[in-house]
Amino acid sequence: QKEVEQNSGPLSVPEGAIASLNCTYSDRGSQSFFWYRQYSGKSPELIMSIYSNGDKEDGRFTAQLNKASQYVSLLIRDSQPSDSATYLCAVRPNTGGFKTIFGAGTRLFVKA
Amino acid sequence: GAGVSQSPSNKVTEKGKDVELRCDPISGHTALYWYRQSLGQGLEFLIYFQGNSAPDKSGLPSDRFSAERTGGSVSTLTIQRTQQEDSAVYLCASSFSPRATEAFFGQGTRLTVV
Repeated sequence: QKEVEQNSGPLSVPEGAIASLNCTYSDRGSQSFFWYRQYSGKSPELIMSIYSNGDKEDGRFTAQLNKASQYVSLLIRDSQPSDSATYLCAVRPNTGGFKTIFGAGTRLFVKA
Repeated sequence: GAGVSQSPSNKVTEKGKDVELRCDPISGHTALYWYRQSLGQGLEFLIYFQGNSAPDKSGLPSDRFSAERTGGSVSTLTIQRTQQEDSAVYLCASSFSPRATEAFFGQGTRLTVV
């Protein structure tokens, strides 16, 4: 089992719709969770971080964390073509140290 | 500099040669990470440095890979006897501290082994 799993996609949504991106992780003791966005040919950039169960909202983005189910998601409301990118889920396992493990990413296409 | 700087941006090398990739983190950042990203794949953790502590080398794929960080700042990733499967983008990231929320990535070094 991979430490961080994501559906590779591509996920295609129409402009203005809600895009839902999902991620599961294997280390039950993990405490820190991140969503990064990576445009083609560019480096990842942080969108959201979440540490507690529940929802965390920042503009059009909402991160959701359920530690009991070992599940973290990212919702993008009012999706725009400029949101088209690969979204990487990242987790800091509770195995000692602070290395961050990334999922393989989900490719999102927002159709105009 | 203002951001994480990596050099070279592109490197083409012959199979069997050694290569050195350099990362200059953001000034004051104590944590430094190396990742590898193959075409269309996610980020594969390689190694993590924190201050003067022993690095976490658990992600290095073989003993051909090594890294060092001098003076708690610049880091060099060395790949000996390169193989074609080493071809990838090597990304370096730094953060203010291990517990910091955000790691800032450099633009990466695209390594092609021919």
